[in-house]
Amino acid sequence: QKEVEQDPGPLSVPEGAIVSLNCTYSNSAFQYFMWYRQYSRKGPELLMYTYSSGNKEDGRFTAQVDKSSKYISLFIRDSQPSDSATYLCAMSFNAGKSTFGDGTTLTVKP
Amino acid sequence: DTGVSQNPRHKITKRGQNVTFRCDPISEHNRLYWYRQTLGQGPEFLTYFQNEAQLEKSRLLSDRFSAERPKGSFSTLEIQRTEQGDSAMYLCASSLDIGVQPQHFGDGTRLSIL
Repeated sequence: QKEVEQDPGPLSVPEGAIVSLNCTYSNSAFQYFMWYRQYSRKGPELLMYTYSSGNKEDGRFTAQVDKSSKYISLFIRDSQPSDSATYLCAMSFNAGKSTFGDGTTLTVKP
Repeated sequence: DTGVSQNPRHKITKRGQNVTFRCDPISEHNRLYWYRQTLGQGPEFLTYFQNEAQLEKSRLLSDRFSAERPKGSFSTLEIQRTEQGDSAMYLCASSLDIGVQPQHFGDGTRLSIL
C-alpha cells in the first residue's frame, strides 16, 4: 500500500463548478502538505503549502488538512478551462524528500 | 527566468549508453532534489543535496545512478548503462534551507531509451 493515495479521476466538470480533490495518507509523521498543478510535459507547479491541520485559502483555491483523519483536500472555486491539468498532492516530515500521490487529472469544459 | 532550469529537455539514447542531465536551481536555494516520474505516476524521490553534501538517497537510486553537486550550485545526474526501465521524466527541484520549505520544480528532462 502506498503511503499517499490520491483519488485517481479523471474528473470532468463544467466551467464554474466547484472542484474537490482529495488525498489520504498512512504516515502520521507527515507535517507539511502541498498541492501541485502539472500541465502536460511540464514540471509540477506549487499551488498551496500548509503546515499541520487547518485550512488555507489563496484566491480560488482552498487547502484543507485533517491530520486526525489523515486526509487532505484541495477545493477550486469557479473552475476555469485553464485549470485543466493534473493535480498532485505531496507531503513531507523533514527537509528531505516529499512523497507524492499519483495525481488526479481534471478537465474543465467551457 | 529565475526558476529551476533543466537541460536537456529531451534525451533519446540507445540502451547501454551513459547519459548525464544538468539542473540549475533557483539561485538562493541551497537544497536540491532529484525525482523520477513515469506516465500516470507521481514523482518518486531519488536524492537530495544540502549545498554540496548529498544527504539522502532512495533505494531507487541503483549503483548505475550517480548525482553530484560539486560547488553547491548546479547538479548533474548520470545514468550509466541505461536500461529500458530508465525511460522516465527526471525532475529537479530546489528549496530554501530554512526549516521545511516547499520545493520548486523545473520542467524536467524526458529520457527515452531505444
